[in-house]
Amino acid sequence: QVQLVQSGSELKKPGASVKVSCKASGYTFTSYAMNWVRQAPGQGLEWMGWINTNTGNPTYAQGFTGRFVFSLDTSVSTAYLQISSLKAEDTAVYYCARGDILTPYYLYNWFDPWGQGTLVTVSS
Amino acid sequence: DIQMTQSPSSLSASVGDRVTITCRASQGISNYLAWYQQKPGKVPNLLIYAASTLQSGVPSRFSGSGSGTDFTLTISSLQPEDVATYYCQKYNSAPRTFGGGTKVKIK
Repeated sequence: QVQLVQSGSELKKPGASVKVSCKASGYTFTSYAMNWVRQAPGQGLEWMGWINTNTGNPTYAQGFTGRFVFSLDTSVSTAYLQISSLKAEDTAVYYCARGDILTPYYLYNWFDPWGQGTLVTVSS
Repeated sequence: DIQMTQSPSSLSASVGDRVTITCRASQGISNYLAWYQQKPGKVPNLLIYAASTLQSGVPSRFSGSGSGTDFTLTISSLQPEDVATYYCQKYNSAPRTFGGGTKVKIK
């Protein structure tokens, strides 16, 4: 079945970096975009941006430029989110979610499925 | 950027009640609107896409309607397992903005 499996929870100190992985299975990885969504404690869903798994081109939402990097390893059908210079306010659950259809032609698409989420806690 | 505004932010209803949640886009988005359900401590789950198409496996008491700027999610008969926060989302072009969420509780 189609699924996204994310890496486990992380506890980091302020100023450190973290890399979250999202491994896809059950479909052709490069046929769909991959999105990243943040949910801070007790808050709503916030779209961080997406990466074109065909070209590797990332698009970042406002507020997620500079310290946030999306990347891929298509050989293992995995997308990555790296956050550098971590701050306490980066404490959140980070989700990956499959989105737009990229091939054979581009189509806007809803988010489904979602990964199980990765809790990143930033604390000294 | 297009803003997505949900109302109410929370509601409390009795089992069996009809519940309606609205989502308004600041500009027209045709029918590129999805609804997600997030139960406490769980992953968001797709309920409806293309404004009114029920995702496979979702109970038929859920329905969606609307087009352009105004959308509605309806639960025809609220069940205890429907306690959750519901989010709308536009998915035509970036940013793929979510609404602020509606928390549904049982009275």
